[in-house]
Amino acid sequence: AQKITQTQPGMFVQEKEAVTLDCTYDTSDQSYGLFWYKQPSSGEMIFLIYQGSYDEQNATEGRYSLNFQKARKSANLVISASQLGDSAMYFCAMREATDISNFGNEKLTFGTGTRLTIIP
Amino acid sequence: ETGVTQTPRHLVMGMTNKKSLKCEQHLGHNAMYWYKQSAKKPLELMFVYSLEERVENNSVPSRFSPECPNSSHLFLHLHTLQPEDSALYLCASSRGLAGGEQFFGPGTRLTVL
Repeated sequence: AQKITQTQPGMFVQEKEAVTLDCTYDTSDQSYGLFWYKQPSSGEMIFLIYQGSYDEQNATEGRYSLNFQKARKSANLVISASQLGDSAMYFCAMREATDISNFGNEKLTFGTGTRLTIIP
Repeated sequence: ETGVTQTPRHLVMGMTNKKSLKCEQHLGHNAMYWYKQSAKKPLELMFVYSLEERVENNSVPSRFSPECPNSSHLFLHLHTLQPEDSALYLCASSRGLAGGEQFFGPGTRLTVL
């Protein structure tokens, strides 16, 4: 089974509207972290937001918020008041406790991504 | 200098060529990573280095050879590649401590003819 599932290959959203990008995950670990990255056409992966499995509050970073529903194993990204510059690929990723080696490295498992296009 | 840089940004090579990709991080991080991003596939982790020591090799073919001479530099040496190796190769770094995110470079778009 895939560890990270993003079911929306592409989305079109009107400018200034809010958008929700779906992400579900699969893990048996109690301790894990969830990340969202943005990848514009330039190729660079830009970190957006992080949610720890023990965090009780949903993470927020400016216009980005993470709708974390632990029982449902979902970590949807919500972008409020979308802008043309938000057009990009968006990737959900997970770090599991078993990924953290003695050296403290962080191995991330990525989903296939959602291509978001903001329409003027 | 921005956080993580990669050179070249674009590379076209024949199957018999030998080339190298370079990654440099200016963030003082201890861990560095190589990822492969192919069309319509999730990012694939290729190699992980921590404190210049390789700690992970996700069954990558030997035609890809990494090198980490110090904690700021990471190379990916390429030789006798196949057309299916054409992809975006991304480098990333992290502090190596739990809770921190990985910072990515802009990637090298590789085309193998």
